Amino acid sequence: DIQMTQSPSSLSASVGDRVTITCRPSQSISNYLNWYQQKPGRAPKLLIYAASSLKGGVPSRFSGSGSGTDFTLTITSLQPEDFATYYCQQSYITPLTFGGGTKVEIK
Amino acid sequence: QVQLVESGGGVVQPGRSLRLSCAASGFAFNSYAMHWVRQTPGTGLEWVAVISSDGTNTYYADSVKGRFTFSRDNSKNTLHLQMNSLKAEDTAVYYCARGLRATHISAAGTVFDPWGQGTLVTVSS
Repeated sequence: DIQMTQSPSSLSASVGDRVTITCRPSQSISNYLNWYQQKPGRAPKLLIYAASSLKGGVPSRFSGSGSGTDFTLTITSLQPEDFATYYCQQSYITPLTFGGGTKVEIK
Repeated sequence: QVQLVESGGGVVQPGRSLRLSCAASGFAFNSYAMHWVRQTPGTGLEWVAVISSDGTNTYYADSVKGRFTFSRDNSKNTLHLQMNSLKAEDTAVYYCARGLRATHISAAGTVFDPWGQGTLVTVSS
């Protein structure tokens, strides 16, 4: 199975900050990498697919980059509604696997 | 709008069975592969199973293989997850999620979008 390592596991940031989250799969997955946002008590929501494609309706302050074994989710100018947990997920091979999550908290 | 609504969760004793359902609406259900994903505080998000758009092919995580059965009724836009021989480690919130618009169940490019609201399964004596 492909192990997905996310870092950091949590971070504290202020509104307006730039936030970067990293995801590293245990083997190369080309660009088969998706990012999700989850708020407490809610289901995850897709933000970015294929490493860098923004889902329609997702604010442009979210962006994704990377390929192979190194991926990044960036939030420019963090907004109050962005405080949540973020997960990466590889769609290269079954079993589909997720990172452990990054909780973005208010500083 | 696209909507997925799970039901059937509850408290069940180890070794017993439970059947989850997921009702889909707002999209061409019979054109999409569908998935179950579960979430626990300890182990995070874990993909459970996938079923092809026509229901003829399924694939399971090793942790549930041989105990869970995934089926669908395209005439009723409904999914079912039959869970047998339940274990304490099956305790989780179970989500159904839409996968690729495709006839195959290949992983490549799968995105989970959208997800249902989830249903809690607790396996405890």
